[in-house]
Amino acid sequence: EVQLLESGGGLVQPGGSLRLSCATSGFTFSSYAMSWVRQAPGKGLEWVSAISGSGDNTYYADSVKGRFTISRDNSKNTLYLQMNSLRAEDTAVFYCAKATLGENYNYGEDYWGQGTLVTVSS
Amino acid sequence: DIQMTQSPSSLSASVGDRVTITCRASQRFNNYLNWYQQKPGKAPKLLIYAASSLQSGVPSRFSGSASGTDFTLTISSLQPEDFATYYCQQSYSTPRTFGQGTKVEIK
Repeated sequence: EVQLLESGGGLVQPGGSLRLSCATSGFTFSSYAMSWVRQAPGKGLEWVSAISGSGDNTYYADSVKGRFTISRDNSKNTLYLQMNSLRAEDTAVFYCAKATLGENYNYGEDYWGQGTLVTVSS
Repeated sequence: DIQMTQSPSSLSASVGDRVTITCRASQRFNNYLNWYQQKPGKAPKLLIYAASSLQSGVPSRFSGSASGTDFTLTISSLQPEDFATYYCQQSYSTPRTFGQGTKVEIK
């Protein structure tokens, strides 16, 4: 059974940092691209970042480029999102998600974690 | 960036109704368009990928189609468990962009 479990969310002051983790099981982690998607309270979905199975290729939304870093540890089957210089507008539930078809980014994400809430506030 | 304009933003329908939700892309691209269903407090669920391919385990009353820059999600006969918010997402290029969502409510 495929499982994704996010952790690391919480309350942080503006300008602060957090690192989110997504522990996975039930599939060959290194064979799949992974993504982070967020959802501000009461708002729609916003794609944040994606990474190839090897970790060699990374992609970011303009809103987080230069502040967030996606990475993965294939030996630990874990995905990460390092978030620096956090702003109030980064407040959201952050979901990790697995690509539907291996390294192919084009077919959406078929498994999602339950989400972890990040609140940026003083 | 490719903009996805989804309509309507909300709709009211009854059990058994046929429901259609549309996403219009700001530019033409291959049919790398996905549809998700999200219920309150839950993660999104993939329904349709590549515009018209039904994800495994999703009921056949859900279908997707494409015509030029317009993409459509159809629920042929709305069931009680289908009341939720639906999002389209283009996965042709980064940044991956979602539509604004369509909330399907009970009439």
